Amino acid sequence: GAVVSQHPSWVICKSGTSVKIECRSLDFQATTMFWYRQFPKQSLMLMATSNEGSKATYEQGVEKDKFLINHASLTLSTLTVTSAHPEDSSFYICSASTILAPSPYNEQFFGPGTRLTVL
Amino acid sequence: AQTVTQSQPEMSVQEAETVTLSCTYDTSESNYYLFWYKQPPSRQMILVIRQEAYKQQNATENRFSVNFQKAAKSFSLKISDSQLGDTAMYFCAFTRDDKIIFGKGTRLHILP
Repeated sequence: GAVVSQHPSWVICKSGTSVKIECRSLDFQATTMFWYRQFPKQSLMLMATSNEGSKATYEQGVEKDKFLINHASLTLSTLTVTSAHPEDSSFYICSASTILAPSPYNEQFFGPGTRLTVL
Repeated sequence: AQTVTQSQPEMSVQEAETVTLSCTYDTSESNYYLFWYKQPPSRQMILVIRQEAYKQQNATENRFSVNFQKAAKSFSLKISDSQLGDTAMYFCAFTRDDKIIFGKGTRLHILP
């Protein structure tokens, strides 16, 4: 249980185009979804937090107009990289959070990631 | 600022040996959770072990155990009888509310 999928697993696009990445919780309803960015040999950096039906909360320094997040349902969140440029090339990871009783902690389950390459 | 420091960027040990990865963190909160995550070459994040800060007893999961020193804000991971499959990037992390804050990671190589 508690599986999170991402689609696509990798994508190559031309500079100036937009790319959409989907994150789905397959067997549970996620109260919150998170989007991370990971550069090669570096750590995960939280980009934004989203709750179903409300606007995403972006971390400082993340351009909300460039990285559009939509959280349409309790099982789906999408990240759209608008007008992508080569510097947006990175590994994007989502996670979905749910309460696993009896633990009071909202466990986060990670997707397998999406590698974006912008030419 | 809340931070996580992993002072060992890279480590190598022989298979079957025991290895300890260090981690210190800084938070002003009294209640939080600490984690070690493993990221193998597939890049899938895998939760290795979790510690609740209000629990004094160190968490263990099979070959993985932690040494949690709350006053020192230290949270090290010990891997016993290391296996080739343990080769991965290991991230120390802690959470407040719903966010997870990651350290920069330690790349661990298990040598045959």
